[in-house]
This record gives sequence, C-alpha cells and structure tokens, in this order.
Amino acid sequence: DAGVTQSPTHLIKTRGQQVTLRCSPKSGHDTVSWYQQALGQGPQFIFQYYEEEERQRGNFPDRFSGHQYPNYSSELNVNALLLGDSALYLCASSLAGTGEKLFFGSGTQLSVL
Amino acid sequence: AQSVTQLGSHVSVSEGALVLLRCNYSSSVPPYLFWYVQYPNQGLQLLLKYTTGATLVKGINGFEAEFKKSETSFHLTKPSAHMSDAAEYFCATHNTDKLIFGTGTRLQVFP
Repeated sequence: DAGVTQSPTHLIKTRGQQVTLRCSPKSGHDTVSWYQQALGQGPQFIFQYYEEEERQRGNFPDRFSGHQYPNYSSELNVNALLLGDSALYLCASSLAGTGEKLFFGSGTQLSVL
Repeated sequence: AQSVTQLGSHVSVSEGALVLLRCNYSSSVPPYLFWYVQYPNQGLQLLLKYTTGATLVKGINGFEAEFKKSETSFHLTKPSAHMSDAAEYFCATHNTDKLIFGTGTRLQVFP
C-alpha cells in the first residue's frame, strides 16, 4: 500500500514564476491537507480539500491556491513566487472525520531564487 | 486559540542518557496532542498521540509522553537515547481537522 506521494521532490524557481506541486493521498483517504514548513520552523497549515472543494484555509494569501481531483489527488499552486515562499511543502491525507489521523508525504523542497 | 510551545530549540544528550523534550499547550478545552518526528529530508512520522483516557501515552521507538492537565504539559521522554533518535521533533495540537505545530526541537545524540 503506497503511502502519501508527492512530486517533484525538489524544485528551483525564480521570483515571479508560478509553481504546481502534486500529491497523491494514501489509498482509501479522501481528504488532503497542505502545510508549508519554512527552514527552522514547524509546519503551517495552508488549506484542506475534501470532495474537490477547499474546506478550510490557513493564513496564506490568495497566491496560494489548490485543487482536488475526483481520484482525491491534489495540487498546490503558488503564483508570483517570492523569496519567502522557499520552504518544504508537505501534503497530508486522511479520511473525512478522522483529521487527527494524518499521514504525511516526504514533501517537496521549493527554492525560490 | 489552541497552540503549543516547545521549550528549547536544541537538545543534546549522550547515547544511553534520558531524553526529555518539553511541550506546553494552550487550550480552553481538552486537547488532542501529538508528537511527530522528522528525519533529515523526510516528512513527518507520528510518534504518539493523546486523545482521551490514559494520560501516559506510549509510542513507537520507545518514546512516551504524559498529559498533565495541571501543568498544561505534554513532555516527550525516552529512557535511553540511541544514535538513531537524532532528528527534529514537533509537538502539535489538533483544531477543526488541522494540526497546529510547535517550532520544533532538534535532538542531537552524541556517542
């Protein structure tokens, strides 16, 4: 049983560009959450998707958007990249109603130059 | 708002020594509390969690944590450190289907 898979593992972009990160949830999970982990910090909640809708959102600007597909996979899009967007982006999946049972992927390391 | 505070960004111990990583929570209601471990270049792995019931929670790799309401604490301990325990440890609480993490404690283990 594959766990949560994220792609790519590493990405380098320049300021002003746009980026898309991808996540496939653990088999049987229908809810996907995204977290940003800046260097030396704990992960910060970006948003959560369930039934292809954004269900809740953390304190992130509209430059951060997402999508969930019918097969429950998800994308995180960041527009107009800033240097401060450099971070490890973690995807976590769960089954609806069991949000305390999160499974995390290994993350995508985004570097903005 | 619920939050957690981890005391000490770095902790160093000798192999075989006691590991103690501190976490205090702020919550007006009984919280769900978690400890996660992150090895270099990897995602987060759940060590243990407290929801309700027994206040001493045993996790993987010999770790345990005790929920103390009177002290609003949920400290992580391991009787004897191993070199493989070197990693970043995060305390977290749960609020409306999302996790709220502390800033992390980096554990170094010396031979």
